[in-house]
Amino acid sequence: EVQLVQSGAEVKRPGESLKISCQGSGYNFTIFRLAWVRQRPGKGLEWMGVISVGDSDMRYSPSFQGQVTFSIDTSINTAYLHWTSLKASDSATYFCTRGGGGTFDPWGQGTPVTVS
Amino acid sequence: QSVLTQPASVSGSPGQPITIPCTGTSGDIGSYNYVSWYQQHPGKAPKLIIYDVTQRPSGASYRFSGSKSGNTASLTIAGLRAEDEADYYCTSFTRANSLHLVFGGGTKLTV
Repeated sequence: EVQLVQSGAEVKRPGESLKISCQGSGYNFTIFRLAWVRQRPGKGLEWMGVISVGDSDMRYSPSFQGQVTFSIDTSINTAYLHWTSLKASDSATYFCTRGGGGTFDPWGQGTPVTVS
Repeated sequence: QSVLTQPASVSGSPGQPITIPCTGTSGDIGSYNYVSWYQQHPGKAPKLIIYDVTQRPSGASYRFSGSKSGNTASLTIAGLRAEDEADYYCTSFTRANSLHLVFGGGTKLTV
């Protein structure tokens, strides 16, 4: 079964750093893209960026460029989303999702992040 | 700042069909057959229900269907059921940004 499993909920203070993870299983991790998506409380979905896992090409949405950093560790089929200095406005649920062509499926269960 | 436009909410009665439109431009929906639809129940991850405009993945209900005309894609749900009550998001390939991806703002379906 193809699965993406994300790390658990986080509660942080403004200015702290954070790295959340997304581990893939049940497929060849390196031949698909992986995207990060933000969903603020009560709001819609926002593409944060896309990683081409095989060549480590990382593209950030302009709204997130410079605000977050993506990284991957193909030895453990895991992608990471990193903040160096969190803000209250970063409070949201973050999803990872596997991409092939224009289709993204499946999705991780989501990681709620609270910054307060 | 969604580029694809969806109605904020729609409602229907059990057993009735309903259609949710997703309007883009010639730079996205109008030029590419890479429209997907996702269903999201409260507190859950989005679930793919339609891809490539009309294709239904295994595991998605046969009551979901997709179509496109010009710059507008549509999701139709036949025979509404209580469990269809959820948020629905469209997404499309776009040449408007470097990610080549754009979401609609989402539609809350009330059954």
